[in-house]
Formats: sequence, structure tokens, C-alpha cells
Amino acid sequence: AQTVTQSQPEMSVQEAETVTLSCTYDTSESDYYLFWYKQPPSRQMILVIRQEAYKQQNATENRFSVNFQKAAKSFSLKISDSQLGDAAMYFCAYRSADDNNDMRFGAGTRLTVKP
Amino acid sequence: KAGVTQTPRYLIKTRGQQVTLSCSPISGHRSVSWYQQTPGQGLQFLFEYFSETQRNKGNFPGRFSGRQFSNSRSEMNVSTLELGDSALYLCASSSQRVSTNEKLFFGSGTQLSVL
Repeated sequence: AQTVTQSQPEMSVQEAETVTLSCTYDTSESDYYLFWYKQPPSRQMILVIRQEAYKQQNATENRFSVNFQKAAKSFSLKISDSQLGDAAMYFCAYRSADDNNDMRFGAGTRLTVKP
Repeated sequence: KAGVTQTPRYLIKTRGQQVTLSCSPISGHRSVSWYQQTPGQGLQFLFEYFSETQRNKGNFPGRFSGRQFSNSRSEMNVSTLELGDSALYLCASSSQRVSTNEKLFFGSGTQLSVL
């Protein structure tokens, strides 16, 4: 079964600085999708960025980018120019491209942004 | 466009009772998936409904069930509640099946407390 590991329960960053959140996953599949979701205190999960495993180019969404290392099964999230509104729980998630597979989430990383 | 709506936001029940949670997806979305979030187990997939049919089910006992109506609204039912069922239950909708790159839109969840 696929597992997702986030080894950093908590991280903090100074406003305007850059922070990287780590995520590794275990799978024997070759075709899958990876996601980073953000969960602010409102509890509503919000998609930050997604990556298709077949794409070698790392996904980027404004201040958010990923470092996808398929061979190493690593999918880290880099937040540049951190803002106070970035403070939240961040979840890494894996979804197989197989038709009958669900989404697997990591345990989450709580990000604090210091003014 | 209205987002994903979950009702109620908070619920308190006692052991042995049953509970029904409701989720209204974004208009036009046909897939609704449910997740249980607890501090100990993190986010776990419960099931997915697409076009009124259960397409996938997570590793939960039969006390957890659901259904989807013709207007794509979904309900989740938990019978014979146990203390361990206390959790935040999140619903997510998407226009296509979960087993794609499709973005999931989450609701704010229902916080269930079992006493």
C-alpha cells in the first residue's frame, strides 16, 4: 500500500523568507499524482499545488514550487517570500492513477510564520 | 459559484447513537468523497460516490455508510457510534472521478464529538 511520510511535524519561517516542507512516499506504481494541500484554522483544505508523476518538470504556482524527485520518491514544497497568511497545516498527498484508488495523506506539517 | 457545503458544522452524540452528515458539492460536480480526520490517524479516506454509485471505499467498518442523490448531494451515516468515531469529517467534490488529476474542493467539515 502507498504511504506518505512528512517527517517535520512543525516548521517555522520568518516573514518574507523561504521555507521547504519535506514529503516522501512509498509506491511501486509508475503513474500517480502528488499534491500539497493547505488547511488553515477554518479547516477547509485548499489545493496548493499538484504534480503528475510522468512530468519531469517541477510544478510552480506563484510563490509555491515543488522539487519532485521520482527516483528518490520525494516531493518537497518550497514557499518563497512567506506571508502571514501562509500559516497553516500542510498535507502532502498521493493518488494512484489507477481507477480504484483513493488519496493517501501524510500526517501534516504545521507551518508558523513569524512577523 | 457556491463552495462545498457541509452540515452541520458541529455535532455532539452519545455512544450507541447514529448520525447523518450532509454534503452539498459545487454545482456541476458529480464526485463526492469523504474523509475522516483525527489527531492520531490523520486524514483517512472513507468512500467516494460518483453519479449516485459508490466507486471506492476505504478501510472502515460497515457502520460507516453513505449515499449520493441524483442532485449529487451526499450523506454519510455512522451507526452505533463509538468514542473513537470522534473526528472532523471532511467532504470533497470534483467534476470527475477522484482517480484523476482533478482538483478536489473541500468543505469546512463536520466536527463530531461522541460522548
